[in-house]
Amino acid sequence: QVQLAESGGGVVQPGRSLRLSCAASGFAFSSHAMHWVRQAPGKGLEWVAIISYDGNNEFYIDSVKGRFTISRDNSKNTLYLQMNGLRTEDTAVYYCARGHSEFEYWGQGTLVTVSS
Amino acid sequence: DIQMTQSPSTLSASVGDRVTITCRASQSISAWLAWYQQKPGKAPKLLIYKASSLEGGVPSRFSGSGSGTEFTLTISSLQPDDFATYYCQQYNSYSWTFGQGTKVEIK
Repeated sequence: QVQLAESGGGVVQPGRSLRLSCAASGFAFSSHAMHWVRQAPGKGLEWVAIISYDGNNEFYIDSVKGRFTISRDNSKNTLYLQMNGLRTEDTAVYYCARGHSEFEYWGQGTLVTVSS
Repeated sequence: DIQMTQSPSTLSASVGDRVTITCRASQSISAWLAWYQQKPGKAPKLLIYKASSLEGGVPSRFSGSGSGTEFTLTISSLQPDDFATYYCQQYNSYSWTFGQGTKVEIK
């Protein structure tokens, strides 16, 4: 069955960097676009970024453009989110999700806390 | 960017009730609308895609309708497992946005 497992979250100071990973299994990872979606504590869902199945196309929400980079390694069935210049407002649970127009499968999420 | 507005924000209902949640888009999104259920501490679960298509394994008491700018999620007979928060989500031109959520509470 489809499984997505995020890792790499933690507590980080403002301005620092963090890299999240999402290990995929149970499906042909290299055939599917992948997303990152986040949820601040007690708040709603916010789409962050998408990468095409082959890694050649990426799109981001405006608030993370120039700071976050989505990437993938299809040989390792792994999705990444490199987060630089972190801000307190980036504090959230980060989910990876499979899909294109909608999000069919989700991981369990990893918590990123940006605090001094 | 397309804004999604859900109503109500909170809904109190009893087991067996028929429940309807509305989602309005700030501009037409055709039928590119999905609905999710989220329980505390858990990832969202896809219920409905393309406005009215039921995701596999989702009970038939859930249904979706609408097109353009106005959409609804209906639960025909609310069950104990359905008390949760529900989100709509649109897709348009490489931009995805969610509604603010509707919490369905026990009356």
